[in-house]
Amino acid sequence: EAGVTQFPSHSVIEKGQTVTLRCDPISGHDNLYWYRRVMGKEIKFLLHFVKESKQDESGMPNNRFLAERTGGTYSTLKVQPAELEDSGVYFCASSQVRGDEQFFGPGTRLTVL
Amino acid sequence: AQKITQTQPGMFVQEKEAVTLDCTYDTSDPSYGLFWYKQPSSGEMIFLIYQGSYDQQNATEGRYSLNFQKARKSANLVISASQLGDSAMYFCAMREAHDLGGKLIFGQGTELSVKP
Repeated sequence: EAGVTQFPSHSVIEKGQTVTLRCDPISGHDNLYWYRRVMGKEIKFLLHFVKESKQDESGMPNNRFLAERTGGTYSTLKVQPAELEDSGVYFCASSQVRGDEQFFGPGTRLTVL
Repeated sequence: AQKITQTQPGMFVQEKEAVTLDCTYDTSDPSYGLFWYKQPSSGEMIFLIYQGSYDQQNATEGRYSLNFQKARKSANLVISASQLGDSAMYFCAMREAHDLGGKLIFGQGTELSVKP
């Protein structure tokens, strides 16, 4: 069974540009989480979907970040316009049931120049 | 306030020796879970071990064990017989039961280097 996949693995963009990150959770997993790790700091929660609904977006840093999960399958996280402080590794995780073990993807390393 | 604290940014251990990675946590929720994840240089996050706040015994998974001291609010990871492949970042995380969404709260991580 395929694990959580994320695309792209790396993205380098200039300040002011737009980037869209994609996450494909494990098939059948209704719960999808986004996290990010800014250089040297802890991994921080961004938001949580149950199917296509946003359950908790308390960790989203500002309105430059937009997450979607149309159809309750894959999710996208768009950053528009990107700022320097958005650089970091963005992780996606999924679980079948809330509170279950979360399976993480390999992350997308975003560099904003 | 920091909910998960990992005070060791980096650790070195000799191959085949045991190593303890520290983690302290802060919560007022009586029910919570504690996790350790490993992140090798390839980037993926690998789940290692879980301890529930009501578990009576310390969790063990192969060479990994969790030294759970509830009164001290510590959940240290012990890796026995270190191997070169154990070199990685290690993250401690907590999930609080009152958070119905189940999000994880992470520490800053400890980078472990295993020397041959």
